[in-house]
Amino acid sequence: GAGVSQSPRYKVAKRGQDVALRCDPISGHVSLFWYQQALGQGPEFLTYFQNEAQLDKSGLPSDRFFAERPEGSVSTLKIQRTQQEDSAVYLCASSLPGVGPQHFGDGTRLSIL
Amino acid sequence: KQEVTQIPAALSVPEGENLVLNCSFTDSAIYNLQWFRQDPGKGLTSLLLIQSSQREQTSGRLNASLDKSSGRSTLYIAASQPGDSATYLCAVRPWETSGSRLTFGEGTQLTVNP
Repeated sequence: GAGVSQSPRYKVAKRGQDVALRCDPISGHVSLFWYQQALGQGPEFLTYFQNEAQLDKSGLPSDRFFAERPEGSVSTLKIQRTQQEDSAVYLCASSLPGVGPQHFGDGTRLSIL
Repeated sequence: KQEVTQIPAALSVPEGENLVLNCSFTDSAIYNLQWFRQDPGKGLTSLLLIQSSQREQTSGRLNASLDKSSGRSTLYIAASQPGDSATYLCAVRPWETSGSRLTFGEGTQLTVNP
């Protein structure tokens, strides 16, 4: 597609439920990033893929967070046993290999009740 | 650990005014610095990217400068318009060869009043 596509745009879940957030990057972009943005804050890095390889997951806040990109295209961020502090906007970005700019999707706004 | 700070946190100006947004970072070992715009409920739109070897970049009414040694960047917006109202974020990319993560500031919320 023309841009990075994320779904769903909004997700409401009860505390303790598992959620899955999807990111479809720009075609041909081998690099894919996930960021978490709390209200009124700048985005914070979660994890980075190059093709299907997860090269950096140091930003994942706990072992409840898991990301995958099995075929090197679409990525899924899964959060298990959600907690209220997981409420945030989750942004996905993709880029060409190298030092080019990262292109962001519109994000998924996750609310945990 | 890299820290990025943006000042001011919020800014309100009348239409037509020229303005400057500030960004500072603690670790000068950066590969590049990027300015983004974020509208409410939307993702980030890249405005300008400055490589560490560059001093400034220009796009239309926007001009971004970079002083790596002092850890500072500024975004200059000329002749501001109500449509410029948004949150502006700066982000730095580290020099590490395998590091592609961006570290963001908290943003400056700009309101341009007609």
